[in-house]
Formats: sequence, C-alpha cells, structure tokens
Amino acid sequence: QVTLRESGPALVKPTQTLTLTCTFSGFSLTTSGMCVTWIRQPPGKALEWLARVDWDGDTYYTTSLKTRLAISTDTSENQVVLTMTNMDPADTATYYCARIRYASGLAMDYWGQGTLVTVPS
Amino acid sequence: QSVLTQPPSASGTPGQRVTISCSGNTSNIGSNTVHWHQHLPGTAPKLLIHSNNQRPSGVPDRFSGSKSGTSASLAISGLQSEDEAVYYCATWEESLNGPVFGGGTRLTVL
Repeated sequence: QVTLRESGPALVKPTQTLTLTCTFSGFSLTTSGMCVTWIRQPPGKALEWLARVDWDGDTYYTTSLKTRLAISTDTSENQVVLTMTNMDPADTATYYCARIRYASGLAMDYWGQGTLVTVPS
Repeated sequence: QSVLTQPPSASGTPGQRVTISCSGNTSNIGSNTVHWHQHLPGTAPKLLIHSNNQRPSGVPDRFSGSKSGTSASLAISGLQSEDEAVYYCATWEESLNGPVFGGGTRLTVL
C-alpha cells in the first residue's frame, strides 16, 4: 500500500526558511521510473508544481522559485525534504507531496493529504 | 491563473452524465497525456484517469477520459452523490519539466 505524508511547521515567519518532509511507504524511490514531487495550493488558487526528485537523483524545480527551493532525499528513511528560503505571506498554501511514475504517463498516482503552511503578514 | 483551463463549476442530478473539459496548448496537452484527479476537502487528491483514458485499479468505469488535440474531457456517468468533489486535470509541460494543472471544477450533485 502506497502512502505519503507531509510534515512540517504550520506557521513560518516572513524571511524564515521552511522545511517540509514527505515520508512515504509502499515503494522505493530508487526503483527506475519513480519520482517524488512537491505541489502547493494557495487558498482559493490553482495547484502549482514546485520541485521533483527522480529515482536517479536528478532534481528539477519550477523556474519562478528555483533560487529559493532545494529538494533532497533520505532513501534509508524513505523521506524527501523540501526547503524553501525567504518565506513570504504569498507562500501561504497547502503543500502536497506526491509520487510520479513514468509507467503511469508521468501522472501523480498517489498524494499525501497536504499540510497547511501559513506565513503571517 | 492556472495553465490549463477548466470550467469553475458543473452540476448534475443523480444518474445523469456530466462532462468536464480541460483546455491547454501544443506544449502541454498537445504534447503529453492528460490525467484527472478527484479532490475532497481535507483528503488526499485521488488519481481517477491517467494517460488520457486509463483508469487505475479500483476506479469505477463510470469515470472515463478522452483527449483530442489540445483539449481533454472527463466524463462521469451514472452520477452519484459521493461524486461531489473538485476535479483537476493535469499534464506535463515540457519547458517546465514538471506538471501543470487546471484550476479545478467543483462538481455539485443536485
């Protein structure tokens, strides 16, 4: 059974760094064709892709946030960590991690429930 | 502003068939397969359709997907009250090396 769960602070002050952890089970990120990605959704707005890490260690970031994001893995702990620097109230959103499989046409086939992060103004 | 365009809302009565559209361009939908997700508030989004028209195991065959050119559609037949949710389309954006999404369609079962 594949599960993903996001964890991290619910409140982050402006200019601080956000660290979110995605803990997954039911698959190995070292299996060819597996990826874990981070996506966020500000209140009332659309889903926005942030970053992804592939089974071979390659990482990719959305262009607009590339300088603020870092994604890393701890394969022994089945975790993927996302850090976002210089947090701003505009970064208030629900943050999701999800699995992507090349075999499913690059679909996000399993998602976590999401974690709401608030950056007060 | 989402990259893919969906109607903000749709509705139907129990038993009816409803369709939800998703429009993109040649660099996203036109070049890649489309996926559909169902999202109930407070829960994890669920993959309903991948690769334009493939249902993952456990998804009822009431749900079907199609794609033509730079547009795609999700059809739900035999509408049930538990189908009330927000539905998102998604596809790959080559220039981004990542997925792009529609703004979501809130489905109401009257």
